[in-house]
Amino acid sequence: AQSVTQPDIHITVSEGASLELRCNYSYGATPYLFWYVQSPGQGLQLLLKYFSGDTLVQGIKGFEAEFKRSQSSVNLRKPSGHWSDAAEYFCAVGARGNEKLTFGTGTRLTIIP
Amino acid sequence: GAVVSQHPSRVICKSGTSVKIECRSLDFQATTMFWYRQFPKQSLMLMATSNEGSKATYEQGVEKDKFLINHASLTLSTLTVTSAHPEDSSFYICSARDVQGASYEQYFGPGTRLTVT
Repeated sequence: AQSVTQPDIHITVSEGASLELRCNYSYGATPYLFWYVQSPGQGLQLLLKYFSGDTLVQGIKGFEAEFKRSQSSVNLRKPSGHWSDAAEYFCAVGARGNEKLTFGTGTRLTIIP
Repeated sequence: GAVVSQHPSRVICKSGTSVKIECRSLDFQATTMFWYRQFPKQSLMLMATSNEGSKATYEQGVEKDKFLINHASLTLSTLTVTSAHPEDSSFYICSARDVQGASYEQYFGPGTRLTVT
């Protein structure tokens, strides 16, 4: 069965500093990988997705992620955090031939001035 | 971009009553919609997969008679929580997959906060 682990429950970074949110997955084949952001009381917005090809994926809002097959990881990064980035971030895995997504437990990002 | 709406955004109901939540894809057609449940400070748990014109597929542990799902058109799926109890209080989120879009990409609604008193 596929699984997703986000080891950091909460991360705090200073505004303007770089940030990285970790995500590890377990799946037998190459999965589809997604990062979503959720503001309080809101639904999920897709930041980026990886299906195949270039392992460095650019997303919206200045985010990027690097897919590392050898480490089964797809960490989310941003060079310079902004106060508006404060939110909950979810990593998700989808399987080829299976539309269902498995979500990680989420990482709450706090940006301090 | 693809937009998914949910109605209502918040609902409070008394224990024992039923509540219907609507999920609509506004600018695309969705043969498949998904219903998730999210507890405070927790992740999304898939409840069921809703397919237009056929019966929903429920995840293990989800009571199909309690959480009735209907997907009568390519733009609308409904979740009815029957005989609601306080433990059903949660944040319910739907998502939809564009039939013409990239495989496996789901668009999420803004969620419905259900409180059962």
